[in-house]
Amino acid sequence: EPEVTQTPSHQVTQMGQEVILRCVPISNHLYFYWYRQILGQKVEFLVSFYNNEISEKSEIFDDQFSVERPDGSNFTLKIRSTKLEDSAMYFCASSEMRSTDTQYFGPGTRLTVL
Amino acid sequence: SQQGEEDPQALSIQEGENATMNCSYKTSINNLQWYRQNSGRGLVHLILIRSNEREKHSGRLRVTLDTSKKSSSLLITASRAADTASYFCATDVIQGAQKLVFGQGTRLTINP
Repeated sequence: EPEVTQTPSHQVTQMGQEVILRCVPISNHLYFYWYRQILGQKVEFLVSFYNNEISEKSEIFDDQFSVERPDGSNFTLKIRSTKLEDSAMYFCASSEMRSTDTQYFGPGTRLTVL
Repeated sequence: SQQGEEDPQALSIQEGENATMNCSYKTSINNLQWYRQNSGRGLVHLILIRSNEREKHSGRLRVTLDTSKKSSSLLITASRAADTASYFCATDVIQGAQKLVFGQGTRLTINP
């Protein structure tokens, strides 16, 4: 069964460093998303992406964040200058069509900012 | 309560019993989805119910949706130890954006 994959599973970085989190969505899906979950808290929406552009972004998704689909398979989230409060689990998700609506999530990348 | 709030926050039952978790929301929705998360792991999609549906089944799972009360319930029948996890409802509330809004979740523990 197709699934969303994410790498790395765990990333440790120093405050102020740039990180890139990678995702490979399900191959025939057209809509892509990033969410994050701070330990013990809700899963929060960050950004949605369709047709090579951002569809919607949350207040969390400020200028330090960017997303890109550099090729036909990868979908990346970049944090330019990490802060301590960026420490969280980051989930990538994809869905086939808007009308289908079901979003399939990857296993997540645990980001630890020291 | 905020969009997509589950109750109870924690539920502990014996293996073989049924587990019921509830979710309430505030705004109109296109659909409501339930997800499971094992500790520290990813989100596994369980079931999606659309706003024009009232009940849906998948194996041992039964989901109901009452749009007049803005609530949903997830029933797991004949629970197993492997069902121990956190369960979240997520609502698709904004037309066209497909942004999911998650609740805090119910932590379900199945005791052997």
